[in-house]
Amino acid sequence: DAGVTQSPTHLIKTRGQQVTLRCSPKSGHDTVSWYQQALGQGPQFIFQYYEEEERQRGNFPDRFSGHQYPNYSSELNVNALLLGDSALYLCASSLGVYTEAFFGQGTRLTVV
Amino acid sequence: AQSVTQPDIHITVSEGASLELRCNYSYGATPYLFWYVQSPGQGLQLLLKYFSGDTLVQGIKGFEAEFKRSQSSFNLRKPSVHWSDAAEYFCAVGRGNEKLTFGTGTRLTIIP
Repeated sequence: DAGVTQSPTHLIKTRGQQVTLRCSPKSGHDTVSWYQQALGQGPQFIFQYYEEEERQRGNFPDRFSGHQYPNYSSELNVNALLLGDSALYLCASSLGVYTEAFFGQGTRLTVV
Repeated sequence: AQSVTQPDIHITVSEGASLELRCNYSYGATPYLFWYVQSPGQGLQLLLKYFSGDTLVQGIKGFEAEFKRSQSSFNLRKPSVHWSDAAEYFCAVGRGNEKLTFGTGTRLTIIP
């Protein structure tokens, strides 16, 4: 079992550009959540996808959007990048209501 | 609104000494509580979880935590720490597959 996999592991973007981050959930999991972790902070919830729809959303602007595919994999898109978007982006997957979330290794995004 | 407080930003203990990391939460219903560990630049690994039942839960790597409803606490303990336990520890609260709310983390340093 490969667990939750994220790609790429690192990337550098310029202010104003757009970025797409990808996540493959743990085998058998149907729910994907995305978190942003700024340096020295705890992860902050961005949104959660289930059955290809956004089910919950945290306090993030519309520049942050996502998608879930029929195979449960997911993408996080960020438009008009700001320097403050530099962070570790974590994907977590889970199954059902009474289960824990498993996290990937994250994508380190640096905006210059 | 749900919240998690980890009062200790940084804790230093000697190898072989006991450890207790504090976590207080605010949640409107019976919470699901989690402890995650993060090594530098890595994702989050689940140490243990509390959903219901026995308030003393055992986790991986010799960690345990106790849920105290009256104190809204879920402190993490280990009787004897190893140098490999040095990492960042996050307490989180959520319910089912709702979003997780994390504390700001406690950085653990181990002295040889």
